[in-house]
Amino acid sequence: QVQLKESGPGLVQPSQTLSLTCTVSGFSLTSYSVHWVRQHSGKSLEWMGRMWSDGDTSYNSAFTSRLSISRDTSKSQVFLKMNSLQTEDTGTYYCARNRYNYFDYWGQGVMVTVSS
Amino acid sequence: DVVLTQSPATLSVTPGERISLSCRASESVDTYLHWYQQKPNESPRLLIKYASQSISGIPSRFSGSGSGTDFTLSINGVELEDLSIYYCQQGNSLPYTFGAGTKLELK
Repeated sequence: QVQLKESGPGLVQPSQTLSLTCTVSGFSLTSYSVHWVRQHSGKSLEWMGRMWSDGDTSYNSAFTSRLSISRDTSKSQVFLKMNSLQTEDTGTYYCARNRYNYFDYWGQGVMVTVSS
Repeated sequence: DVVLTQSPATLSVTPGERISLSCRASESVDTYLHWYQQKPNESPRLLIKYASQSISGIPSRFSGSGSGTDFTLSINGVELEDLSIYYCQQGNSLPYTFGAGTKLELK
């Protein structure tokens, strides 16, 4: 069955870089795009960017200068790297499979706290 | 960016009643409008795609309608398990955007 699972550090210091991994199973990264979506505590959802099935990437301009998404198809993993973290980046980070333009499967999410 | 405005922010409901939630887009998104349910400490779950298309495994009491800028999610006979936050999302243009959500609470 389709599964996505995020992993990464729960605590990051301000100004440091966040590195998250999304490990998928049940589908191929060369057939579906995988997106990253952030949610501040008690708040709505914010689309961050995507890894397209052909390896292309797109980013929300709100993050463009400090966000990078990459992948390793042999390991079925998609990576998120975001630098210059601030306290406002605290939240839950999800990876989600995108079917055309909607999200049909989501990971469980990983909570990230930015604090010294 | 397309702004999605959901109303009301909170809706107090009685089990069994029929309710409607609204999502309004700042510009036309055709029918590229999708609905999700999120329960506390869970990931969002897709409820309705393309404004009105049902999703396998989702109870039939959930339905959607609309096109362009005005959309509605209806629940015909609310059940206690439906007490959640509901988000709309547009997939017409990047960046994909979500509404602020409507929280269903028990009256």
